[in-house]
Amino acid sequence: GENVEQHPSTLSVQEGDSAVIKCTYSDSASNYFPWYKQELGKGPQLIIDIRSNVGEKKDQRIAVTLNKTAKHFSLHITETQPEDSAVYFCAASRETSGSRLTFGEGTQLTVNP
Amino acid sequence: DTAVSQTPKYLVTQMGNDKSIKCEQNLGHDTMYWYKQDSKKFLKIMFSYNNKELIINETVPNRFSPKSPDKAHLNLHINSLELGDSAVYFCASSPTGQGSTGELFFGEGSRLTVL
Repeated sequence: GENVEQHPSTLSVQEGDSAVIKCTYSDSASNYFPWYKQELGKGPQLIIDIRSNVGEKKDQRIAVTLNKTAKHFSLHITETQPEDSAVYFCAASRETSGSRLTFGEGTQLTVNP
Repeated sequence: DTAVSQTPKYLVTQMGNDKSIKCEQNLGHDTMYWYKQDSKKFLKIMFSYNNKELIINETVPNRFSPKSPDKAHLNLHINSLELGDSAVYFCASSPTGQGSTGELFFGEGSRLTVL
């Protein structure tokens, strides 16, 4: 089955700096890669996703890059703000429906004001 | 107008007891899930139902029995609770038909503590 590894497990940045979280996956047939943000006491919420037919996708301060050859993908957050503090999860699936996601272990991001 | 709602939010019980967690979604999605998040925040799928039919069962002990009375509800019943069952259980839903985006919509979680 799929195995997703995520690094780092914790990340602390100063407000305004950039944050990068990296994930690798094992199943070369995976073609859907979402990122979820989980705030304290809440359920995870999708913030951005990418499919294997593109290498990069951007949405305001958030971008995701995908390298299918190397089987890794990354989340980039620019101009971080305190409200970006949360746990971030990457995930991978063969199915673009999201019905069989394998999640990474999560990254606790802290943005210090 | 909560999209995915689960009850109870907190549950504290003794080892050996039986408990249930209920989940309802009003998004009209055809697929619902139960995920378990352990103390290290690791999220792992347990079950998935599509239109009331079980489609994913990820080697979860038989003490866990999901039930979907209709496609808007997916309940989780746990028998003979063990200490290791302590976790946050998340219900989620998604549309999986043509045009689905792949997004899962999660509830706010039910924190189960087994003493």
